[in-house]
Amino acid sequence: NAGVTQTPKFRILKIGQSMTLQCTQDMNHNYMYWYRQDPGMGLKLIYYSVGAGITDKGEVPNGYNVSRSTTEDFPLRLELAAPSQTSVYFCASAGTGIDQPQHFGDGTRLSIL
Amino acid sequence: TQLLEQSPQFLSIQEGENLTVYCNSSSVFSSLQWYRQEPGEGPVLLVTVVTGGEVKKLKRLTFQFGDARKDSSLHITAAQPGDTGLYLCAADPLDYKLSFGAGTTVTVRA
Repeated sequence: NAGVTQTPKFRILKIGQSMTLQCTQDMNHNYMYWYRQDPGMGLKLIYYSVGAGITDKGEVPNGYNVSRSTTEDFPLRLELAAPSQTSVYFCASAGTGIDQPQHFGDGTRLSIL
Repeated sequence: TQLLEQSPQFLSIQEGENLTVYCNSSSVFSSLQWYRQEPGEGPVLLVTVVTGGEVKKLKRLTFQFGDARKDSSLHITAAQPGDTGLYLCAADPLDYKLSFGAGTTVTVRA
């Protein structure tokens, strides 16, 4: 009963380093999302995908990139880490249908020092 | 500017008391969802409301969608420590991208 799995759970990066946050889902959902959550700010959408090979920008895409080569996987890449990217990152997936719930992973806590 | 405004931002009450959390917007939504998030975990869906004026109950939780589909409320009766968490409302402005409110942190003291 895995649902949405995110790795790693925690990571500390130095300024300028790069890394990929992994996200995989086993529910055959077409829709996948990446959010960042900062204290008191709710969830901000970074990128989303409506199916394999299709991605689009959300509210706060600068400094990030995504790809969606399969239905299951939706990795998020940080190319040049900056302190402003310190946050908790959540991946989510949803089935087709406007009222379908989003299923979230447990998050990746990322600190840029 | 938040599309969805949640109030209050923080709420601390004694076990057994009632509480209400509000979610307001100037936009009309096709549906609105409420999620609860516990520390170290992702949000989990509590309910989806789709019809103006709709009321849904989930045990001690009552959710209402405004008649004009611009606002919603979550009422908890006889709160318990297990109700502690961050409550988020989220709405779908006619596409598949949810917009989230900033959340209300609820603490229920034993």
